[in-house]
Amino acid sequence: GAVVSQHPSRVICKSGTSVKIECRSLDFQATTMFWYRQFPKQSLMLMATSNEGSKATYEQGVEKDKFLINHASLTLSTLTVTSAHPEDSSFYICSASLPSEGYTFGSGTRLTVV
Amino acid sequence: AQKVTQAQTEISVVEKEDVTLDCVYETRDTTYYLFWYKQPPSGELVFLIRRNSFDEQNEISGRYSWNFQKSTSSFNFTITASQVVDSAVYFCALSDRGATNKLIFGTGTLLAVQP
Repeated sequence: GAVVSQHPSRVICKSGTSVKIECRSLDFQATTMFWYRQFPKQSLMLMATSNEGSKATYEQGVEKDKFLINHASLTLSTLTVTSAHPEDSSFYICSASLPSEGYTFGSGTRLTVV
Repeated sequence: AQKVTQAQTEISVVEKEDVTLDCVYETRDTTYYLFWYKQPPSGELVFLIRRNSFDEQNEISGRYSWNFQKSTSSFNFTITASQVVDSAVYFCALSDRGATNKLIFGTGTLLAVQP
């Protein structure tokens, strides 16, 4: 089946640094990817919709200058958390919509900012 | 706006009990899709079922069954004879497909199955 590979699975970074998370579609072309954030014991909140070759669409309340999304090819979307702070510590997960009316998810990235 | 409500935050049952997880949704779209996902402690999302708005047939898959009722905007999930391995967070989700194609998640229900 369609697989989205997400890396890294875990990352610890210092406050003020930037972190890049990658999501690759391994055996299909993903024109649209979605980025979610999940705080402990909470739901998955949609942050943005990433479209290949165009600017991402951010959900209300999500800072586009802080969470940079790049979808430069049909198989790769990246999320960069810039100038990370402890409150950005969370579980980030990407998803791609499939022609078969479903979605496939990456395995998630657990970000800890110290 | 789309919204998914899972009123049960946490449920605890003893092994072999049946348990139903509730899901109520809101949407103005006539075409939409409903999903259930399981999230074990590892964090990965496990796909359980997809149902489109035109198919109100209930579905059974092993110990799992789903009851879709458009009249009450509900898509409930029942686990029969629960097992410890069923312990996880379960999310109901809604997608409008054709429009924004976003998948919106409910708040989730933490199911704890005690041995």
